[in-house]
Amino acid sequence: DVVMTQSPLSLPVTPGQPASISCRSSQSLVYRDGNTYLNWFQQRPGQSPRRLIYQVSIRDSGVPDRFSGSGSGTDFTLKISRVEAEDVGVYYCMQGTHWPFTFGPGTKVDIK
Amino acid sequence: QVQLQESGPGVVKPSQTLSLTCTVSGGSISTDGYYWSWIRQHPGKGLEWIGYMYYSGSTYYNPSLKSRLDISVDTSKNQFSLKLTSVTAADTAVYYCVRGGAALDWGQGALVTVSS
Repeated sequence: DVVMTQSPLSLPVTPGQPASISCRSSQSLVYRDGNTYLNWFQQRPGQSPRRLIYQVSIRDSGVPDRFSGSGSGTDFTLKISRVEAEDVGVYYCMQGTHWPFTFGPGTKVDIK
Repeated sequence: QVQLQESGPGVVKPSQTLSLTCTVSGGSISTDGYYWSWIRQHPGKGLEWIGYMYYSGSTYYNPSLKSRLDISVDTSKNQFSLKLTSVTAADTAVYYCVRGGAALDWGQGALVTVSS
């Protein structure tokens, strides 16, 4: 299975400041069709996960533009340009290129 | 707006079969063109993709669970189901039904506890 790692695993943030989460995969996530199937999810306390970004950098409908994704190959980043209180939760990266699809361990974001 | 809702027993005895059903509303399993998935989350831990299927019957099972797993669809009821046999305490988790191979929409989750 493709192993997904994330860093940091815990990220205390100050509202209004930027935040960045790194995700790395044990294999390239470029699929034979040329696309890279790397997604980002947010799980707020007590809620189901919600997809924020798919195919590395495409924001889902309704996701604030302070969230952005970037990267290629095996190295990816989720950035929050200015953290807000509602961004508290656990963030997961997930690869959908190699079956079985796998998730990273999660990065817990909370307010300092 | 597509909504997914899991249903099934909250407690299953060890060695028995865990059965869950996902009812889809606001969309059609057979015409939407999506894959339909099951993902689980062990208490306080990360996420594991169990498997997914297409309405036509094509299925993709996580190799770690394949020997115990069955995912099926009932298009007449707009539902899809999960059966996991010979469960142990390690199968205690919140089970989510999800729309799409890229996990676009999620149900609220169903906690299943394996306990005698």
